[in-house]
Amino acid sequence: DTGVSQNPRHKITKRGQNVTFRCDPISEHNRLYWYRQTLGQGPEFLTYFQNEAQLEKSRLLSDRFSAERPKGSFSTLEIQRTEQGDSAMYLCASSPHRGHSGNTIYFGEGSWLTVV
Amino acid sequence: AQKVTQAQTEISVVEKEDVTLDCVYETRDTTYYLFWYKQPPSGELVFLIRRNSFDEQNEISGRYSWNFQKSTSSFNFTITASQVVDSAVYFCALSEAKAAGNKLTFGGGTRVLVKP
Repeated sequence: DTGVSQNPRHKITKRGQNVTFRCDPISEHNRLYWYRQTLGQGPEFLTYFQNEAQLEKSRLLSDRFSAERPKGSFSTLEIQRTEQGDSAMYLCASSPHRGHSGNTIYFGEGSWLTVV
Repeated sequence: AQKVTQAQTEISVVEKEDVTLDCVYETRDTTYYLFWYKQPPSGELVFLIRRNSFDEQNEISGRYSWNFQKSTSSFNFTITASQVVDSAVYFCALSEAKAAGNKLTFGGGTRVLVKP
């Protein structure tokens, strides 16, 4: 399978605990994105990387959230001191960057987080 | 700021009927890209089609077709002869050429239920 891979697919955690999600993008893609999707809503942009550089963060990404892409390959999204409002699906996506805009973004299957 | 509106929250049809999904967008950018994604119950967002703002030619791809009209800022999507496997949530999305990372702005989605 050469698509975007995310794990774990599901995570149930107690409020206040930390959680970490991992994303492996399509191998030749140098852009990686994180989105959040709550029930009944469309995905919302959180942050994106070009190679290892994190170039933009949404205001939705509070200081409890941190994302890394240390070697420009896989990425992790950590949520510290989880709150019930963090319950959502976290989608990772990747795209190539070939010097012009509008490249198609391909998504993974998402990681469902439930904070109890 | 960019915005995507999908006024239909849910559409229910009987198999073999055609389904048209509406999408209206707002952008100040003169160059932009429009997308349709499908999200089956598994959660993965599946890329379906993409259109560039400078190309208003409408096309048909298999059972899918789309109608892009810049004059009304609409990008409607039609599934012809629907099948049960088409049951999913469909998202329209916009990417502005000037937006960093070509990040996507999604509409709220339209749930399509195809009954046998």
